[in-house]
Amino acid sequence: ETGVTQSPTHLIKTRGQQVTLRCSSQSGHNTVSWYQQALGQGPQFIFQYYREEENGRGNFPPRFSGLQFPNYSSELNVNALELDDSALYLCASSIGGQPQHFGDGTRLSIL
Amino acid sequence: DQQVKQNSPSLSVQEGRISILNCDYTNSMFDYFLWYKKYPAEGPTFLISISSIKDKNEDGRFTVFLNKSAKHLSLHIVPSQPGDSAVYFCAASRNNAGNMLTFGGGTRLMVKP
Repeated sequence: ETGVTQSPTHLIKTRGQQVTLRCSSQSGHNTVSWYQQALGQGPQFIFQYYREEENGRGNFPPRFSGLQFPNYSSELNVNALELDDSALYLCASSIGGQPQHFGDGTRLSIL
Repeated sequence: DQQVKQNSPSLSVQEGRISILNCDYTNSMFDYFLWYKKYPAEGPTFLISISSIKDKNEDGRFTVFLNKSAKHLSLHIVPSQPGDSAVYFCAASRNNAGNMLTFGGGTRLMVKP
C-alpha cells in the first residue's frame, strides 16, 4: 500500500512569486487536506477536498487555493508569496471519517 | 486564539516508566480527538483516537483518557521506550471524524535509556 507522497521535498521562492505543491493521496483515499506547520508550532488546517470539491477551509486568505483531481491527487497553490508563508506544508489523506495519514511535507522557504 | 493547547513543550522520562502527555481544549464543539507522533523530517503518524462519547481508549502501550467536563485529554504510554522519543501532537475535530483537524503546539518526549 503506497502512502501519501508529496513533491517537491524542498523549495525556495522569493516574495511575490507563486508556488504549486503536489500530493498523491494514499491508495483508496478520497479526501485530501492541506496543513501549514510553522517552525515550533502545530500544523494549521488550510483546506480540505472531497471528490474534487473544497468542503472545508481554515483561516487562510484566498491566495491559498487548491485542486483535487479525479485520481484524488491534489495541488496547493499559493499566490503572492509572503515571508510568513515559509513553513512545512503537509498533505493528509483519508477515507470516510478515518484518521488522516500524512505525507512527509514540502519545506517552503521564502527569501 | 488557540483552541487546542499542549502546555508542556517537553517531557523527559526514564525507559520503562510511564509517560503522560496532556492536552486542553476550549471549543465545546470538538467531538473527536487524536494523538499523532512526529519524528524529524517525517510527517505526523496517527497513534490513537477517542470519540467524545467515550472516556478511555486503549491500544497496546497507548491509552487516551478524555475528561469532557474539564475539556482535557491525556495520552499515557506504558512502558515508555527510547523509540517513543518524538514530538507528540494532540488534535481535535468538530465533525466526529479524523479530518479537518485543529492541532496543539506539540510536546517533545525524550525517553532516556
